[in-house]
Amino acid sequence: QSVLTQPPSASGTPGQRVTISCSGSSSNIGSHTVNWYQQLPGAAPKLLIYSNNQRPSGAPDRFSGSKSGTSASLAISGLQSEDEADYSCAAWDDSLNGPVFGTGTKVTVL
Amino acid sequence: QVQLQESGPGLVKPSETLSLTCTVSGGSITSYYWSWIRQPPGKGLEWIGYIYYSGSTNYNPSLKSRVTISVDTSKNQFSLKLSSVSAADTAVYYCARRAEYYYASGSYYFDFWGQGTLVTVSS
Repeated sequence: QSVLTQPPSASGTPGQRVTISCSGSSSNIGSHTVNWYQQLPGAAPKLLIYSNNQRPSGAPDRFSGSKSGTSASLAISGLQSEDEADYSCAAWDDSLNGPVFGTGTKVTVL
Repeated sequence: QVQLQESGPGLVKPSETLSLTCTVSGGSITSYYWSWIRQPPGKGLEWIGYIYYSGSTNYNPSLKSRVTISVDTSKNQFSLKLSSVSAADTAVYYCARRAEYYYASGSYYFDFWGQGTLVTVSS
């Protein structure tokens, strides 16, 4: 029941910059902040970015987030092999009075 | 460091009720909202519902008729019951803590997650 749209995949070589988009609507991204979660293979989601562009303690500074209108983006600068994972965006939704998640993007390090 | 741990049967028969418990350690369950989130195999995350430590709840409308979330503050636990399950309910079920950014009211996010537990619905 993913409401936020992400590209299914993204890739890059080590050291490259990779960007992932997240598209929503006025009832979610347009009205609320965006969070990003990283999910390593077989693991639980881990908070990577909150409130559009805030990094929790321990999150590498090569990860950054931004938001404009009803879309958001996650950028990975200086891609590393350990960044190979699934990334999902999320935002509160007014119609749900709860969070909606993105479709997820698998990042591959070539 | 707050830790969450899901527990419950990994196999449930169709039409029966799925029951899971999340035990919170390293911190108190009070003063926070607690959620259940699931992820079907190969698919995205889906929010099921949340409960405040006081007992107030909110559920995803798509599941509301079948979901009950409860809390036991004395045990630092909260629980999920999902009735009349079918194969479509097969998923990894996660419990998570909802936090709010201090400098932006209404800016909610999940800061701590359980490791997840796979529940398969099959006869």
